[in-house]
Amino acid sequence: GAVVSQHPSWVICKSGTSVKIECRSLDFQATTMFWYRQFPKKSLMLMATSNEGSKATYEQGVEKDKFLINHASLTLSTLTVTSAHPEDSSFYICSAKSKWYEQYFGPGTRLTVT
Amino acid sequence: GQNIDQPTEMTATEGAIVQINCTYQTSGFNGLFWYQQHAGEAPTFLSYNVLDGLEEKGRFSSFLSRSKGYSYLLLKELQMKDSASYLCAVGGSQGNLIFGKGTKLSVKP
Repeated sequence: GAVVSQHPSWVICKSGTSVKIECRSLDFQATTMFWYRQFPKKSLMLMATSNEGSKATYEQGVEKDKFLINHASLTLSTLTVTSAHPEDSSFYICSAKSKWYEQYFGPGTRLTVT
Repeated sequence: GQNIDQPTEMTATEGAIVQINCTYQTSGFNGLFWYQQHAGEAPTFLSYNVLDGLEEKGRFSSFLSRSKGYSYLLLKELQMKDSASYLCAVGGSQGNLIFGKGTKLSVKP
């Protein structure tokens, strides 16, 4: 099956700093990648849709200036959490589409902001 | 609006059969997905239904009724490793997934 990787797996940062999370499709090209956030015992919530070579589409309530998304190539999308605060602590998961209906998820990145 | 409902928790016995229901009301529909998610891990794809009926894949089957906005995931011959959260999701118009809150299944010996 299709493989999606994320890096780092976990990160602890201080309040006010920025963190970059990478999402890569390893064995297929993904024109579209999605970024989700999941708080403990809650469902995955879509943050934004990332299209290669164009600006990301953000969901309502997600600050585009705080969560910077770059989809530089067909195999790489990055999410940068700028000026992180403790309330940004969450599990961030990316997914990539290999077929028109299948999405494959990365292993997730657990962000803790102290 | 978007609304996807599924039970919060279920418990079943090893070797038994369990059915996890999901009802949905969404503005768009591009298929019904089921994912399995173990604690602290990303979801893994289980099944996809776009037409009414039953799709069988090994021990797992998924059913869809579009007219009723209803789906279920059927797990047979339960194993301890099946203890996980099962997420029902509807395919959105942008290729995204709209998730329910998940059903936490506990399989007991």
